[in-house]
Amino acid sequence: QQPVQSPQAVILREGEDAVINCSSSKALYSVHWYRQKHGEAPVFLMILLKGGEQKGHEKISASFNEKKQQSSLYLTASQLSYSGTYFCGTGVSGSARQLTFGSGTQLTVLP
Amino acid sequence: DSGVTQTPKHLITATGQRVTLRCSPRSGDLSVYWYQQSLDQGLQFLIHYYNGEERAKGNILERFSAQQFPDLHSELNLSSLELGDSALYFCASATATDTQYFGPGTRLTVL
Repeated sequence: QQPVQSPQAVILREGEDAVINCSSSKALYSVHWYRQKHGEAPVFLMILLKGGEQKGHEKISASFNEKKQQSSLYLTASQLSYSGTYFCGTGVSGSARQLTFGSGTQLTVLP
Repeated sequence: DSGVTQTPKHLITATGQRVTLRCSPRSGDLSVYWYQQSLDQGLQFLIHYYNGEERAKGNILERFSAQQFPDLHSELNLSSLELGDSALYFCASATATDTQYFGPGTRLTVL
């Protein structure tokens, strides 16, 4: 079953913060985050594993709540280059290598 | 550049025809995944190969088939094409830690 992402879309001004959520009804082993610009390939951002630490680099970080089967992606002090569609891909225990992707969150950063 | 290559970039064909999409994974990656992304939609998992063997099937139609060759490149064959098959087709290769890196995609247009 497909993970649920929220919000579906968000519009920000440069410098503002955003949070994108991803939740699953299944027991998750891993959560993968990608950003895709229109017509381009999804670009890997980070992976969070069950029992692992919160990941992050620069102004983009993510957390994984194993009890709630939820992950959140945090974008702070957003830049124009952050615009795109963000997808979470979830791996479940037993078939961790296969990912199921959410329907995406469209993020637009305005000057 | 993810290191994954896909050819061709664009493909225009007619209904009822058959096409072959090609993917070369990153050096050292043994896994290849195929995804379909219809206009403004999420990523639908089609099939996964690992070191030449099929490992998992997703929502892949019977008209579609794939294989992975000894040199680890993979081909996705689409036959009896229908208008609804028009989409972006991505392959991704995965590392030992299951991080998937996507190729640039093949845009298929069925007329």
